[in-house]
Amino acid sequence: DTAVSQTPKYLVTQMGNDKSIKCEQNLGHDTMYWYKQDSKKFLKIMFSYNNKELIINETVPNRFSPKSPDKAHLNLHINSLELGDSAVYFCASSQDFSGARETQYFGPGTRLLVL
Amino acid sequence: KNQVEQSPQSLIILEGKNCTLQCNYTVSPFSNLRWYKQDTGRGPVSLTIMTFSENTKSNGRYTATLDADTKQSSLHITASQLSDSASYICVVSAIYSGGGADGLTFGKGTHLIIQP
Repeated sequence: DTAVSQTPKYLVTQMGNDKSIKCEQNLGHDTMYWYKQDSKKFLKIMFSYNNKELIINETVPNRFSPKSPDKAHLNLHINSLELGDSAVYFCASSQDFSGARETQYFGPGTRLLVL
Repeated sequence: KNQVEQSPQSLIILEGKNCTLQCNYTVSPFSNLRWYKQDTGRGPVSLTIMTFSENTKSNGRYTATLDADTKQSSLHITASQLSDSASYICVVSAIYSGGGADGLTFGKGTHLIIQP
């Protein structure tokens, strides 16, 4: 009955590979997010989707491509992985987007290590 | 440029003591300010959300204050417990004109350690 779940929890891969991280929320929320937390624990938003539509797309390399097949899922595909992509990636969801006050619920994170 | 500065960077206190964490921001136009708690190896968990008109909000032993004039917020933890050991992150939300993207600016967090 996890609210926001991510898979895999850990991901170790070689530089140059392509990988995907999946996120699912069972809260009935309309808005989902991807965040990157670097080694200094600094959280930075990457993307936000509302009702399967992209609404925030921060300055992120185009090697990162989010995909939202439905409101409950927001997957993150990364092409040609680089060493600097090593970080913890958090998925989050909130009830909606128009209400900036809405609480965000975070997943447990996916720890990506690029060798 | 929107910025959120938190202090101190780290803090060690004894169990049972109180502490206050600070957050200063330059985000504009201001929408709301959030405090999150992030345990090691876990995702952040929301503690409080405050809008412009709210000066204080409590969540158990956590009390957040907001001074929108000076653009400062604090998070006060009362009677600290070992489980309070975590990073506390201040996040400020801006409203972009035209009802577009909701900008979130994250602070780098305060790492709090509670010692028995």
